[in-house]
Amino acid sequence: AQKITQTQPGMFVQEKEAVTLDCTYDTSDQSYGLFWYKQPSSGEMIFLIYQGSYDEQNATEGRYSLNFQKARKSANLVISASQLGDSAMYFCAMRGLGAAGNKLTFGGGTRVLVKP
Amino acid sequence: GAGVSQSPSNKVTEKGKDVELRCDPISGHTALYWYRQSLGQGLEFLIYFQGNSAPDKSGLPSDRFSAERTGGSVSTLTIQRTQQEDSAVYLCASSLDPGDSIYSNQPQHFGDGTRLSIL
Repeated sequence: AQKITQTQPGMFVQEKEAVTLDCTYDTSDQSYGLFWYKQPSSGEMIFLIYQGSYDEQNATEGRYSLNFQKARKSANLVISASQLGDSAMYFCAMRGLGAAGNKLTFGGGTRVLVKP
Repeated sequence: GAGVSQSPSNKVTEKGKDVELRCDPISGHTALYWYRQSLGQGLEFLIYFQGNSAPDKSGLPSDRFSAERTGGSVSTLTIQRTQQEDSAVYLCASSLDPGDSIYSNQPQHFGDGTRLSIL
């Protein structure tokens, strides 16, 4: 079974500063993928970034980057230069690989509020 | 637009009634997923369709829940004899074939969801 833990239920960040959202996971799979999604108050789930368990480099997508520490089973999201539009819920999710693993297991989410 | 489309966006119904929720995936996406988002349980997987393979129904909470996907495209999630604990946002997602490769990184693209309220 897979489990995702996001220990920060909510946090404030000053506009233009960086923020790190924690995500730890537990799995017995050797191969897996980790995803981060953003959910604004409007409700849609927006894909942000992906990290594969075999990727040797940390993933980056614009202002988003992943601090992936496989031995610690953590995949923290870093948002640089926060903007007011970054205020949202952020979910870390894991997908196993192979026919039995295509569903996503989500963490409980972290609510981020960016202050002007 | 070209995103995942769900209808209705909101549904209010009385306890005991049946409801049908519809999902129209992104054109060309062979994989389709249903999730449920509620305050108490967070985001939960319900069911997964991939091409012509038998669906993965392992997340359906009871036999009152069923889903089908016709012609490899549109999917309908049906809840029979609704209960108050069924109140939630039901999210549909689609993706390209995720495959079995450890290098597959196909993200799931979500619709805006159907907010279901059982009175």
